[in-house]
Amino acid sequence: DILMTQSPSTLSASVGDRVTITCRASQSVSIWLAWYQQKPGRAPKLLIYKASALETGVPSRFSGSGSGTEFTLTISSLQPDDFATYYCQQYSGYSLYTFGQGTKLEIK
Amino acid sequence: QVQLVESGGGVVRPGKSLRLSCAASGFTFTTHTMQWVRQAPGMGLEWVALISHDETIKSYKDSVKGRFTVSRDNSMNTLYLQMNSLTAEDTAIYYCAGAGEPWTTITAAPYWGQGTLVSVSS
Repeated sequence: DILMTQSPSTLSASVGDRVTITCRASQSVSIWLAWYQQKPGRAPKLLIYKASALETGVPSRFSGSGSGTEFTLTISSLQPDDFATYYCQQYSGYSLYTFGQGTKLEIK
Repeated sequence: QVQLVESGGGVVRPGKSLRLSCAASGFTFTTHTMQWVRQAPGMGLEWVALISHDETIKSYKDSVKGRFTVSRDNSMNTLYLQMNSLTAEDTAIYYCAGAGEPWTTITAAPYWGQGTLVSVSS
């Protein structure tokens, strides 16, 4: 199975900061990488698919990049609503999808 | 609008079985791959299973292979997860998700249900 590793596991930042979360795959997943945001007690929300495509309705401060084995999610200017946990998910591996372990974005 | 509504969760003894359902509406269910994802208390997301639109492709996380079976009834717009030989490690909120790109298993999941809690305890 393809292993997905996110870094950092926890990130402390302030409103207005630019933050980047990294996701690495144990083998190439091409561009088949999604990013989800999850808040406590809520279902995950899709932010980015195909590594860099912004899901409809997601603010443009969110962006994704990368291909192959290394990917990043960037939030250009943190807003109060962005403090949450973020997960990457690969969906290329012979129909065996896997998530990263998550990155908790906390208020500094 | 798209809705996914899970049901069937509950408390069950180790070794017993449970069947989860996910009722879909607001999109063409018959053309979309669907997946089950779970989240143990205080833990991260864990992909569990996937089924293609026509049931020709079914895939599972290693730890549930042979115990869980994913299926769908396209006439009823409903996704299922039959879970047998349950253990405490299966305790989690189970989400159904899908309705991404049609006609392919290479798709993210823009829509999620609210989840149903499965608790395996003696």
